[in-house]
Amino acid sequence: AQSVAQPEDQVNVAEGNPLTVKCTYSVSGNPYLFWYVQYPNRGLQFLLKYITGDNLVKGSYGFEAEFNKSQTSFHLKKPSALVSDSALYFCAVRDSDRGSTLGRLYFGRGTQLTVWP
Amino acid sequence: GAVVSQHPSRVICKSGTSVKIECRSLDFQATTMFWYRQFPKKSLMLMATSNEGSKATYEQGVEKDKFLINHASLTLSTLTVTSAHPEDSSFYICSASGLSSYEQYFGPGTRLTVT
Repeated sequence: AQSVAQPEDQVNVAEGNPLTVKCTYSVSGNPYLFWYVQYPNRGLQFLLKYITGDNLVKGSYGFEAEFNKSQTSFHLKKPSALVSDSALYFCAVRDSDRGSTLGRLYFGRGTQLTVWP
Repeated sequence: GAVVSQHPSRVICKSGTSVKIECRSLDFQATTMFWYRQFPKKSLMLMATSNEGSKATYEQGVEKDKFLINHASLTLSTLTVTSAHPEDSSFYICSASGLSSYEQYFGPGTRLTVT
């Protein structure tokens, strides 16, 4: 069964410091991994994805994530946080066998990131 | 990038009435659309998956007669909340996926309040 774990409900960092939002996953086949960000009363915005290839994936707004197969992790990172990065972040996984799951995503519970000035 | 719209963005309705939410893919053909419900500060709960021209697949515990989903074209899916009750108040988000896409593109969400 597919599942995603985001172990931290809340991450607080000071502006200018590096940030990490953790995500681990479980899938039966090869994973497709995604990060989304949600601002209050808005839908989800796509940040980045890992399908295949380089383990380090670069995405929008200076975010990046590293796919680690042995640790089944896909942590989101940014070298220097901004106050405007404060939002709710979701990790999601999809099984590469699209036909079996109709392409549905399995979401983590979300991590609230707060960047203080 | 691909754009998905939702209408209305906010709706208030009285208990017992029905309300329809539209989800449109503006610049691509959405072979599959997904409907989610989100409670405050919580993750997204998948309600149903719909493929164009066929019946929606509902997740366990979601009443198909209460949450009617229609995916009549490759650019439009609708969710109708029938006989709404205050406990149906929530944030409803749709997403869409095309044949050649690995990802889902999300709409901006609809805030439903049932009084």
